[in-house]
Amino acid sequence: NAGVTQTPKFQVLKTGQSMTLQCAQDMNHNSMYWYRQDPGMGLRLIYYSASEGTTDKGEVPNGYNVSRLNKREFSLRLESAAPSQTSVYFCASRRLAGRKIHEQYFGPGTRLTVT
Amino acid sequence: KNQVEQSPQSLIILEGKNCTLQCNYTVSPFSNLRWYKQDTGRGPVSLTIMTFSENTKSNGRYTATLDADTKQSSLHITASQLSDSASYICVVNSNTGNQFYFGTGTSLTVIP
Repeated sequence: NAGVTQTPKFQVLKTGQSMTLQCAQDMNHNSMYWYRQDPGMGLRLIYYSASEGTTDKGEVPNGYNVSRLNKREFSLRLESAAPSQTSVYFCASRRLAGRKIHEQYFGPGTRLTVT
Repeated sequence: KNQVEQSPQSLIILEGKNCTLQCNYTVSPFSNLRWYKQDTGRGPVSLTIMTFSENTKSNGRYTATLDADTKQSSLHITASQLSDSASYICVVNSNTGNQFYFGTGTSLTVIP
């Protein structure tokens, strides 16, 4: 049981390049999330997927797109990277069922630098 | 505006000592409050989740308190260890489901 996995762990892009960050979870969770973490700021939600087949914008969606490929996988795409997108990106997942409160599990993060 | 504020921003303590981290929030409607531990270069890991009706919750040497009336929470660490060195993040989940509001964290350093 690997939990939440992310690839790659590190990436350097030049301005204007594109890339896709991959995330997968093996806990059969229905909700998945993409966050970015910048120095001096709390984690900010980019996009989330409440269930397979649905995606919604979070607090900072501009410049990003997402795909919920299946229940396990949720990818984040940068179409034209900008230096402002230099950050650490975390994927998370949790089970969302009824009124019970469930933990949110985070992946190890992807450190992205855009030059 | 929904906000989560943590204090202090950073803290250095001697191994074996206790410490208390603070979290104030203005999130409404409130569902639950979570404390996470984030080691350098790793993702956050959940320590506790507290609902409106819970005042205190413990997880080993970590004890979280919640005062929903004053919208304050604290995380008390007892008999600190070097491995407690990390960032501790307070997160409030709104009743609207997928809205999580993150504090900026308290960076704790435990020195021998």
